[in-house]
Amino acid sequence: QLVQSGADVKKPGASVKVSCKASGYKFAAYGITWVRQAPGQGLEWMGGISAVNVKTYYAQNLQGRISMTTNTSTSTAYMELRRLTSDDTAVYYCARLFETLYVDSGRYSPAFDTWGQGTVVTVSS
Amino acid sequence: QSVLTQPPSVSAAPGQKVTISCSGSSSNIGNNYVSWYQQLPGTAPKLLIYDDIERPSGIPDRFSGSKSGTSATLGITGLQTGDEADYYCVTWDSSLSVGVFGGGTKLTVL
Repeated sequence: QLVQSGADVKKPGASVKVSCKASGYKFAAYGITWVRQAPGQGLEWMGGISAVNVKTYYAQNLQGRISMTTNTSTSTAYMELRRLTSDDTAVYYCARLFETLYVDSGRYSPAFDTWGQGTVVTVSS
Repeated sequence: QSVLTQPPSVSAAPGQKVTISCSGSSSNIGNNYVSWYQQLPGTAPKLLIYDDIERPSGIPDRFSGSKSGTSATLGITGLQTGDEADYYCVTWDSSLSVGVFGGGTKLTVL
């Protein structure tokens, strides 16, 4: 189970930090992905922390504004987004990353098998 | 503009079958595995298919996945009104080193 922090309202230019607390599984054995959905729009991959290679990947359009971290002692993942604009108004989801890297072929299989309930972030002056 | 291309909408009658396509390139679908998600209105997405064709436990066999070259397909048989939702494909793009979603397909069960 993944439980996210509550809704937040921010002014343009501010930062937001969303938390995602995991329970029911070995937190360090899986990666975490963050996905957002603007009102009336589709899902957008924001980035993720892989447990396979312990690397963090970010969407190109968010590079420089986003940070993803984890605290294994509390089984909690965090996503911080800085310099917010109205375009960042969205529902933000964390999801457990169920991933396999097939070494022989080099093919990667990411799947998001457990999702948080979503956190509404509103950016408004 | 999504890296993966899905039809914006599909529709079919209850009991019928529908397929949803997801078209990409050699850097994403062609060389990595695809997963599919169902998003009911107002809820978080749910994993339906992973590793192109595998169903997680609890997902009925009415849902199936397939892949050929740089395109993947989600099939749903025995359509029910409860299947009305948005469906998304996802994979990894090895050239960009990012995850990529399709634009989503809205399924209407007439």
